[in-house]
Amino acid sequence: SQTIHQWPATLVQPVGSPLSLECTVEGTSNPNLYWYRQAAGRGLQLLFYSVGIGQISSEVPQNLSASRPQDRQFILSSKKLLLSDSGFYLCAWRWGSPEAFFGQGTRLTVV
Amino acid sequence: EDKVVQSPLSLVVHEGDTVTLNCSYEVTNFRSLLWYKQEKKAPTFLFMLTSSGIEKKSGRLSSILDKKELFSILNITATQTGDSAVYLCAVAHNNAGNMLTFGGGTRLMVKP
Repeated sequence: SQTIHQWPATLVQPVGSPLSLECTVEGTSNPNLYWYRQAAGRGLQLLFYSVGIGQISSEVPQNLSASRPQDRQFILSSKKLLLSDSGFYLCAWRWGSPEAFFGQGTRLTVV
Repeated sequence: EDKVVQSPLSLVVHEGDTVTLNCSYEVTNFRSLLWYKQEKKAPTFLFMLTSSGIEKKSGRLSSILDKKELFSILNITATQTGDSAVYLCAVAHNNAGNMLTFGGGTRLMVKP
């Protein structure tokens, strides 16, 4: 069966520091991978998606970037965090059917 | 611009009540509509609806899609405290990334 791992679960970072969030999927090949952000009390906003290794599409211009160095690995990064980057970040995967399956999320607080 | 709107924003009911959550959409390249339940962290998949008028049912939860009027409802009967969560509606697009556009969610609280 497929599983998705996302870490860390929580993170407190100072403004201006770098960021690296990692997501890996097991039990499937060539999945579509997604990064979403959820502000408090809000819905999910799609940040990036990837249909294959090295293929990244950005939905919202911002202070973040994504990379997919391996088939089942998706990384969200920033060189310098802003206060507005605080939020709940969710990684998701899908393959075949439309429903996406989510990791447990990373709660990022930028101070 | 693609839009998915959920109502109400929040709802407080007592155990045993029946609730109806609404989701309307205006999107390009519609493929299907999905409902998720989010308790603390990861949203968990509930239903996928592709055809109008066909009810999907799982225990006390049911959902239906109207592709002419562009909306869906999620019904929960005989609510329990464990139903307390944020319910998210999303539209799956028929495009290269097969992306999901989410609504803002409905926060349901079920009191004992």
